[in-house]
Parts: sequence; C-alpha cells; structure tokens
Amino acid sequence: AQSVAQPEDQVNVAEGNPLTVKCTYSVSGNPYLFWYVQYPNRGLQFLLKYITGDNLVKGSYGFEAEFNKSQTSFHLKKPSALVSDSALYFCAVSSGSGGSYIPTFGRGTSLIVHP
Amino acid sequence: SQTIHQWPATLVQPVGSPLSLECTVEGTSNPNLYWYRQAAGRGLQLLFYSVGIGQISSEVPQNLSASRPQDRQFILSSKKLLLSDSGFYLCAWSDGEPYRNEQFFGPGTRLTVL
Repeated sequence: AQSVAQPEDQVNVAEGNPLTVKCTYSVSGNPYLFWYVQYPNRGLQFLLKYITGDNLVKGSYGFEAEFNKSQTSFHLKKPSALVSDSALYFCAVSSGSGGSYIPTFGRGTSLIVHP
Repeated sequence: SQTIHQWPATLVQPVGSPLSLECTVEGTSNPNLYWYRQAAGRGLQLLFYSVGIGQISSEVPQNLSASRPQDRQFILSSKKLLLSDSGFYLCAWSDGEPYRNEQFFGPGTRLTVL
C-alpha cells in the first residue's frame, strides 16, 4: 500500500522569506510525486510533479520541489513567499505497481503567509 | 484547451433525498475520471474512478454510486442522502496512465445535507 504524510497541518511564514512545505511518502516501486494547491472553495490546481530525472523539479508560480530518495521526501519550496501563496497544499504519490495505480493524496498543509 | 465543468455549484438537500452531481470534460478523449469528497476543507477521499466507459471502480463502500454514460461525462448519485454525505465534491480528469499524469480538477460542488 502507498501512503503520503504531510506532518504539518499549518505552516506560517513572513512575506519575502523562504517557505518549505514537507511531504514524505511510502510506496513499493519507483514513486511518482505531485504537488497541488487549493484556494478557498476552489478545486485543486497542479503545481509540479516528479517522474524521473533531476531531483529538483520546477513548477508553476515559482515553486520547486526536491526529490530525496534516501529520505523518501518531496518537500515543496519557494525562495520568497507572497501573501497570495496562502492556500492549502497537497502532496500525492503513486507508483504504478503494487496496487498504487491511482495517486494517494496527503491530508494537506495550510500555508499562511503574513504581510 | 481542456475544461472541466461541475454542477450544481452548491446544493442543500434533506436527509433521505436523492442526489445527482454531474461532471463533464471538454477538449479531450477517453479521459480518466475521478470523484473525490473533501470534508472540513482538508483531506481528499477518493470515491470512484473510471478509466473508460462502463468501467467504474469504487474505493469506499457507502450509499453513493457513479456512472459514466458517455466518454466525457461522470455522474455521482445517491438514492438516499445521509447527514455524513455533506462535503465538497470534486471531479477530476487525467489522461494516459493515471499513476504518472497530473489530475485537473473541476470547481467543485458544495453539498449540505440537513
């Protein structure tokens, strides 16, 4: 079975400071990893994904994520946070093997960026 | 470009009444389709997914059902709603292999069961 953990329910950061939203995963086989963002009362929007290749993945709105196989992590990062980045962030994992055909989503992390 | 529609946007229904939520996708063929429920603005619960017409997989046994009458149409139904069915229902689509391609979500339906 696959699983994903987002250990922080909420992350607070000041505008202009770097931000990190944490994600760790467990799958059998090679992982496929995704980050999505959700603004209030809206559907999720895709930010970025890791399939293979470079461990540092760049995505939309200046976000990036680093795949770390030894630590089974895929943390989302941004060098300089904006107030408009305040939203709910979801990590998801799949592997295409061992029953992991459909991505599993984490519980979400609420990011609050203070002016 | 591809778009995904959901309706209605909001719905208030009494306990025991039927439910029908509709999702349609435009601009793509043979999409994978998904229904999720999100309670209290947090985690997503996968309810159903479909990789083709007539192929529906249920993830959670409950009083909900799903159908795919056309290639790009996905319907979520219930014969009798429960209070616990309240939540934010999201439809999504992806193409190709579900495990390696991102999903695109609709705007959602806010369901309140009273």
